Amino acid sequence: GDSVTQMEGPVTLSEEAFLTINCTYTATGYPSLFWYVQYPGEGLQLLLKATKADDKGSNKGFEATYRKETTSFHLEKGSVQVSDSAVYFCALLNNDMRFGAGTRLTVKP
Amino acid sequence: DVKVTQSSRYLVKRTGEKVFLECVQDMDHENMFWYRQDPGLGLRLIYFSYDVKMKEKGDIPEGYSVSREKKERFSLILESASTNQTSMYLCASSSLGRYEQYFGPGTRLTVT
Repeated sequence: GDSVTQMEGPVTLSEEAFLTINCTYTATGYPSLFWYVQYPGEGLQLLLKATKADDKGSNKGFEATYRKETTSFHLEKGSVQVSDSAVYFCALLNNDMRFGAGTRLTVKP
Repeated sequence: DVKVTQSSRYLVKRTGEKVFLECVQDMDHENMFWYRQDPGLGLRLIYFSYDVKMKEKGDIPEGYSVSREKKERFSLILESASTNQTSMYLCASSSLGRYEQYFGPGTRLTVT
């Protein structure tokens, strides 16, 4: 069945560092891909999405490109802030929604 | 903005109690979902519903049931709570078709 694998955390960075969180997927057909973010004590919020190959999703300085050839959707941000500390989930939507295990990011001042 | 609300943010129940978790969405979405979230396991789908009175089992339905009497409301029921059901429960909704899901704030349930 469909599945999502994302890098294990936790990830700890200093403010203004470059962020990459890796995500790869296994799916038949052409799934849509998402990154969700969960701030402490809250539910998941959609961060960005891409619906077809080579699409780039972007929001709040975060970006991810749908790479069908490598079945990947890595999340990147050029300069993280303390307020980006959260858990990030990669997800795919095909026949149903599948989530990765989540990656906890802590950004230190 | 889509709004998904859950009846409680925190809940403490005793083993054997019947527990109701309620979820309401205000965007006329056809699909509604219940997940549980546990550290290292991500989100696991318990049940979903694509229409009033319709329900489908997800990956981990054992020990749970659901009710959808109105389009905007989806309830998760723990018939007899057990300690291994201590978890964060997340409700979500989406439009019919391949659209993103919108989540509520979650209910952290502790069963003692």
